[in-house]
Amino acid sequence: TQLLEQSPQFLSIQEGENLTVYCNSSSVFSSLQWYRQEPGEGPVLLVTVVTGGEVKKLKRLTFQFGDARKDSSLHITAAQPGDTGLYLCAGFSGTYKYIFGTGTRLKVLA
Amino acid sequence: SAVISQKPSRDICQRGTSLTIQCQVDSQVTMMFWYRQQPGQSLTLIATANQGSEATYESGFVIDKFPISRPNLTFSTLTVSNMSPEDSSIYLCSGTTSSSYEQYFGPGTRLTVT
Repeated sequence: TQLLEQSPQFLSIQEGENLTVYCNSSSVFSSLQWYRQEPGEGPVLLVTVVTGGEVKKLKRLTFQFGDARKDSSLHITAAQPGDTGLYLCAGFSGTYKYIFGTGTRLKVLA
Repeated sequence: SAVISQKPSRDICQRGTSLTIQCQVDSQVTMMFWYRQQPGQSLTLIATANQGSEATYESGFVIDKFPISRPNLTFSTLTVSNMSPEDSSIYLCSGTTSSSYEQYFGPGTRLTVT
């Protein structure tokens, strides 16, 4: 069974701080996605990483895919209250379905 | 990208009844999925909706309880049958495009069973 473990589960920080969320698995994925979800809405795709070692930046967010394509990280620089939400990683496997991580709930205090 | 809508957005249903949730995509998508989510928690895949054939269900989910239809490339329905309070959850549909397999979600249907 493929599992994606995210850490930390919960994170409450002050505006302006930096943070990193980790997404780890023992399985290899052909690609990995990160989503942010706000209450009452569906998850919104932030980024897709495909190549081992790949790094992508989206404004203050930096995403990295592990060399072996088993893990990923999301780093947020100078967090803002608008970054508050549930962050989910999802691995895309060869069976054409997505395995979602356990989720990280982030709260950024003004 | 794809824009996905769901109906209803929320409902309160009585135990033993059934509810059908509709999912409409504004463009053709390759694959469609149905998920369940408890508020603040991760997503659990219920099934992959296959166009013109029976859905593929994940372990723990069965067709009699969650019948799914997908008559074309832009529409799918999920029925939650013979509901119990344990079925109270958020139900989400999603679709992927063929070019990148990026997944787009509807806003979800919040179901409460009393």
